[in-house]
Amino acid sequence: DQQVKQNSPSLSVQEGRISILNCDYTNSMFDYFLWYKKYPAEGPTFLISISSIKDKNEDGRFTVFLNKSAKHLSLHIVPSQPGDSAVYFCAASRSGNQFYFGTGTSLTVIP
Amino acid sequence: GAVVSQHPSRVICKSGTSVKIECRSLDFQATTMFWYRQFPKQSLMLMATSNEGSKATYEQGVEKDKFLINHASLTLSTLTVTSAHPEDSSFYICSASGANTEAFFGQGTRLTVV
Repeated sequence: DQQVKQNSPSLSVQEGRISILNCDYTNSMFDYFLWYKKYPAEGPTFLISISSIKDKNEDGRFTVFLNKSAKHLSLHIVPSQPGDSAVYFCAASRSGNQFYFGTGTSLTVIP
Repeated sequence: GAVVSQHPSRVICKSGTSVKIECRSLDFQATTMFWYRQFPKQSLMLMATSNEGSKATYEQGVEKDKFLINHASLTLSTLTVTSAHPEDSSFYICSASGANTEAFFGQGTRLTVV
């Protein structure tokens, strides 16, 4: 049973535009969420996180939005750069314990 | 979709003992496995990368003699925390990647050393 879903397997965006990656979850008890990115042939690397007490967290070009009522979070990258081309995973946990990961969205930023 | 199974999900051990954590890819051949450690509310820290049949590559600051990684087959990698101490208490997560697949994560192991 997939508790965290990334329904878009791929996304293409023009350089300089906004990239929006979406993630939905089913368990209302999740209170901590993370985004990771992965380049080919490398391991995933942490990008940004958000706890359920917030609805937005910003770090440079990356902003994560959390909509608890909709059980939805999104990652915004503005402006998108070719180096952002990678696979992005969202993950959710309850109190930092067992993590559940989405299957990833492959982002391609076109120069 | 591909599934990575990590076992056990929780383990409590006494200080000085060793603990083994298994990471299995259930429906694909994992040519590369990654082991991460996560402290509460912090990012994942990559500990090591292992390719099937070869020695693991450890990140700087990770003690290879303390965190033994074995990747003997294309479906199984193990992380053994040797002579565990309370400061080793953490959340450990594996990630497996195949030749033509993206990385899939295990659900993690909560290690508590008492």
